[in-house]
Amino acid sequence: KAGVTQTPRYLIKTRGQQVTLSCSPISGHRSVSWYQQTPGQGLQFLFEYFSETQRNKGNFPGRFSGRQFSNSRSEMNVSTLELGDSALYLCASSLRDRGYNEQFFGPGTRLTVL
Amino acid sequence: SQQGEEDPQALSIQEGENATMNCSYKTSINNLQWYRQNSGRGLVHLILIRSNEREKHSGRLRVTLDTSKKSSSLLITASRAADTASYFCATVHRPSQGGSEKLVFGKGTKLTVNP
Repeated sequence: KAGVTQTPRYLIKTRGQQVTLSCSPISGHRSVSWYQQTPGQGLQFLFEYFSETQRNKGNFPGRFSGRQFSNSRSEMNVSTLELGDSALYLCASSLRDRGYNEQFFGPGTRLTVL
Repeated sequence: SQQGEEDPQALSIQEGENATMNCSYKTSINNLQWYRQNSGRGLVHLILIRSNEREKHSGRLRVTLDTSKKSSSLLITASRAADTASYFCATVHRPSQGGSEKLVFGKGTKLTVNP
């Protein structure tokens, strides 16, 4: 089975712009979670989608949004970028049929905001 | 905060030695997971231990869980240079007021294994 893929791998944007990141989960996985990783805050949970519905949301401003498509692929969008949004954005997929089991992570998208 | 905390933040050992990392958390959990991350890459799942389990093994890894102390430890035996990475514990919490479970990561232990 192919692993979790994320595109693009690297992105450079300027303040005020918006960005869309994409995540393709492992085939058969219906749950996709997004995380932001920074040196200062560590791994912070953004949101989880399951069968096209947002199941859980972390403590991030409304500038951060996401969606999931019928094929389980997911996108997250960040509008009006700020310097502090520079981070590694990771997505993880799982079966999530009963509780939180093993999460399979993608390689991440490194976002730099100038 | 529900976030787990790993201890120590950084650990440097020689190849062949054992490495022990600890994780503490604050609220009751359904399970606890350990992940490894090589520099700047995605996380890799290592092992999951359920709240009714006390110890689990996987190859050179041994995980213990003490729910009364709200703590877990990860032991890597006979470490190798390739074990150099950051190690994170992640705890699965069920909100007391209902709602869906959340997976919460600690800040990690950075392990360096010197050849």
